[in-house]
This record gives sequence, structure tokens and C-alpha cells, in this order.
Amino acid sequence: GAVVSQHPSWVICKSGTSVKIECRSLDFQATTMFWYRQFPKQSLMLMATSNEGSKATYEQGVEKDKFLINHASLTLSTLTVTSAHPEDSSFYICSAVPAGGGTQYFGPGTRLLVL
Amino acid sequence: DAKTTQPTSMDCAEGRAANLPCNHSTISGNEYVYWYRQIHSQGPQYIIHGLKNNETNEMASLIITEDRKSSTLILPHATLRDTAVYYCIVRVGAGNMLTFGGGTRLMVKP
Repeated sequence: GAVVSQHPSWVICKSGTSVKIECRSLDFQATTMFWYRQFPKQSLMLMATSNEGSKATYEQGVEKDKFLINHASLTLSTLTVTSAHPEDSSFYICSAVPAGGGTQYFGPGTRLLVL
Repeated sequence: DAKTTQPTSMDCAEGRAANLPCNHSTISGNEYVYWYRQIHSQGPQYIIHGLKNNETNEMASLIITEDRKSSTLILPHATLRDTAVYYCIVRVGAGNMLTFGGGTRLMVKP
């Protein structure tokens, strides 16, 4: 149990295009999902907290208009990187917390490469 | 959140116990100690957590000192697949955002 999936697992796109990453909790409902970003040889950095039915809360320094987050259902949150640039190339990881509380479970990550 | 301190890296022989220490001297009474690991190019994986009692599950054991200022994660029989970065995180609850430090890079060698 407690499986979180991400799609796609990797994506290559041209500079200026937008990319959507999906995060799904497969066997539980999640009122809260988190989005992290990880650059090579660095630790995970929280980007935003996504709550079902409300606007996401972004960490300082993360542009909300560039990284659009939608949490439309209890099992799905999406992150859209708008007008992607090479510096947005990174490993994006989501996590989900079961509606009843408890441990945070992570997805497998999505590797984004912007050319 | 209480800050944690972990060694940057450790080696362990395959089949032997891996003991990963973590210092969290400013931990509050209601904060748990969580351990996650991240295998290369994958998302973090939950291992174990505890408040003040020692805990054991199918993956590992967690030993927390009586004063709760430090803890040790024990992998009883390390395998090559246990090679990963191990993160010790102190938090009131894992349902809240987790702050990842540098972690310990464990290398299990044949």
C-alpha cells in the first residue's frame, strides 16, 4: 500500500515550452501533497505545498506563476513548469500524505531536461 | 524544526550491520525522528520513525537515546541494494513538510 506515482518519469523539452507533471496517490486519498526539486548532488528542496481544493503555498523564492500547481482531487496533483528554461532542468519529486494523517510517501520523481 | 547532524558518508561491508548516527540535540518533546533513504535517481523511501522508544520494522531498527538528543538507524544485514543517501529528519509529524539536510551517503561494499 501507500504508493505514489509520477508521470512522466522523464521529459525533454525545448526552451520556452510548458511541461506538466502528474502526481497520483494510487491507493489512498491525500489532502496534502508536496512538490520538491533536487539538483545534482544536492538535497531535496521543498517548492510548494498543495492542498486539495485550495491554492498552493509556495516556498520563498519559488515563482508561483512559473510553477503552476493544481490539486483538483484527493488523488491527483499536477505541477506545470511554464516557459521552461535550461535552469529549470532538475529532478522533481512529489509526496503525499494520507487523508487520515501519518507518514509522507514519495513518488519516484520526474527528471526534466530543458534544451 | 530541530536541526540534525549526520556524517557525510559511511562505508559498510555487505552482510554486516550498518549503524547510521544522527544528532538532534535541540529536539522538542513532541518531535518525532524520521528516517528516509534515497537510492540514486529515485524518490525518498520511508524507513522508520520513533518518538522516544526504540522501534523495529522489517527494514531497520531505530535506537533513540534516553535524552532524545541522538539516534541510530541500524540496518542489521546490509546488502548492496542498501547503498543510498539516508536522511534523518526531526518533525512534529511527517504529514507536514519535511526539511532534508545533506544526509549520510552509505556505501555497502562486497
